[in-house]
Amino acid sequence: SAVISQKPSRDICQRGTSLTIQCQVDSQVTMMFWYRQQPGQSLTLIATANQGSEATYESGFVIDKFPISRPNLTFSTLTVSNMSPEDSSIYLCSTERTGLNYGYTFGSGTRLTVV
Amino acid sequence: AQSVTQLGSHVSVSEGALVLLRCNYSSSVPPYLFWYVQYPNQGLQLLLKYTSAATLVKGINGFEAEFKKSETSFHLTKPSAHMSDAAEYFCAVSEAQGTGFQKLVFGTGTRLLVSP
Repeated sequence: SAVISQKPSRDICQRGTSLTIQCQVDSQVTMMFWYRQQPGQSLTLIATANQGSEATYESGFVIDKFPISRPNLTFSTLTVSNMSPEDSSIYLCSTERTGLNYGYTFGSGTRLTVV
Repeated sequence: AQSVTQLGSHVSVSEGALVLLRCNYSSSVPPYLFWYVQYPNQGLQLLLKYTSAATLVKGINGFEAEFKKSETSFHLTKPSAHMSDAAEYFCAVSEAQGTGFQKLVFGTGTRLLVSP
């Protein structure tokens, strides 16, 4: 199954700045998903990214705040823009595995603290 | 839209006792169902999944779950809890999208506490 390398693993950022999170997959995948996990909460899907097209955002998330790039079938980035303390969360990327071993693979997450 | 309900934000058991974590989903068609575990300061690890094969699914670390369509449930069990099982557990259901892929919808999570 695919392995995802996600970085940075953690960061502390000043409010008003932006952070770009990268996910590299060791095989080609069609869809990549970006999740947010706020402190003590479950995972919420931010957006779905297909290579070559604009990401599809879930209700409550907008492209200006969370721009996503998907330049090829093995890589994606999520930027958290104009950060505020409310953006302090764990951000995770994920891919869907199709076929006999259907399921999802997750990156190890980026723990973001905004001060 | 799919939804997942996990009853009990916290479950406490003694070491050696039965673990039962409840999960109910809303779906009119048989979904794919997953249980993930998250240890402190770590990412998500897949425990087990149901993908329309056997209704009793065995996973890692001695966990298993039974898919009951009539009850729309997928409860997670382990006969004997170990201290190392203390973690956050998430139930998730896949939701088909019009473009052919499926996205995961997560429950709110249950924190399992194991006492000596």
